[in-house]
Amino acid sequence: GESVGLHLPTLSVQEGDNSIINCAYSNSASDYFIWYKQESGKGPQFIIDIRSNMDKRQGQRVTVLLNKTVKHLSLQIAATQPGDSAVYFCAENTSRGTSGSRLTFGEGTQLTVNP
Amino acid sequence: KAGVTQTPRYLIKTRGQQVTLSCSPISGHRSVSWYQQTPGQGLQFLFEYFSETQRNKGNFPGRFSGRQFSNSRSEMNVSTLELGDSALYLCASSLTPYNEQFFGPGTRLTVL
Repeated sequence: GESVGLHLPTLSVQEGDNSIINCAYSNSASDYFIWYKQESGKGPQFIIDIRSNMDKRQGQRVTVLLNKTVKHLSLQIAATQPGDSAVYFCAENTSRGTSGSRLTFGEGTQLTVNP
Repeated sequence: KAGVTQTPRYLIKTRGQQVTLSCSPISGHRSVSWYQQTPGQGLQFLFEYFSETQRNKGNFPGRFSGRQFSNSRSEMNVSTLELGDSALYLCASSLTPYNEQFFGPGTRLTVL
């Protein structure tokens, strides 16, 4: 598999490889993190989320890792497929009690899967 | 269950005009948030509504406003349009402000 540094705007992998997309977040008070996938012409699609009391969460072919010490989030995609080609965004959601919450998005990583 | 719907999908306006965009959340979702997406600034939070009340607002000028109705549907309005308002406007709904947000397809606004 191929790993991205702290953030790169593009990542190109071969079909079947594992992909790792990294993200740094800014607010140490953030308590909820989400990864979204956005395909061309569509809105962001929820992939997986994790709360700050966890450091790892697994879904179908995806794993999110949270390192609160260095404010770092990563998304691992196993056996990457051509249909995984999209832009991936991390987002942090700071719970603000009765004042509501908001998502702050990272810059996004364009994942290209080569057959 | 139907997803988040946004109307219209595409809109062309001229500078100085105003525009209203509409969002229908997923059935049962009471929280609606709006975001602006541009190539230069990425995805930026505009505002969030829950139970017809604006709970949170992003750093946008007062020309951007919104509201939520009793059926949880939401509208956002942009007055005195500027060229820089050209963007994809995305609406997201969630059960409450503290649940995962599901996005609609967006409204592509072009200001000429």
